[in-house]
Amino acid sequence: ETGVTQSPTHLIKTRGQQVTLRCSSQSGHNTVSWYQQALGQGPQFIFQYYREEENGRGNFPPRFSGLQFPNYSSELNVNALELDDSALYLCASSLSGSSYNSPLHFGNGTRLTVT
Amino acid sequence: AQSVTQLGSHVSVSEGALVLLRCNYSSSVPPYLFWYVQYPNQGLQLLLKYTSAATLVKGINGFEAEFKKSETSFHLTKPSAHMSDAAEYFCAVTPTMKTSYDKVIFGPGTSLSVIP
Repeated sequence: ETGVTQSPTHLIKTRGQQVTLRCSSQSGHNTVSWYQQALGQGPQFIFQYYREEENGRGNFPPRFSGLQFPNYSSELNVNALELDDSALYLCASSLSGSSYNSPLHFGNGTRLTVT
Repeated sequence: AQSVTQLGSHVSVSEGALVLLRCNYSSSVPPYLFWYVQYPNQGLQLLLKYTSAATLVKGINGFEAEFKKSETSFHLTKPSAHMSDAAEYFCAVTPTMKTSYDKVIFGPGTSLSVIP
């Protein structure tokens, strides 16, 4: 079984730029969630995608956006980067539906540094 | 709204000693409860979960946790710490037991150090 993979592992961007982070879900999973983890803190929920639609969103501004593709992979896009966006971005996949209830399976994250 | 507190941002134990990491949730409505572990430069890995089947839950790597409704707690324990247990531990909860397992709220985490 293939686990959750994220790319790139590290990224350095300049304030004001845009960034796209990518995630491939674990095989058999249909839902992807994105989290932001600032240094020394717990993961904060950004949003979740199920069947290519946003299925819940945390307290993040609209410049954080996402996509889910038919193969259940996903992208996180952040526009107009700010210094405070520097963090570890975690992708997690799960299997959702009327007959399923699985916990989150995480990738190793993308470390984003904004200078 | 449901929230999670973890008492002690950093805990140090000697190798072979008892590990106790504390977690309390806020709501009077019992949630589903989880413990995740994060090793350096890695994502989070599920240690165990409480889904109302039994109040004492056993997980991987010798960890277990006990759900105590009266105390709104779900503390994580391990009888004997090993050097490889050094990591960041996160307690997580769902808003209610009507919420799916993948809609969790994470606590701030406790960093566990194991002293040889």
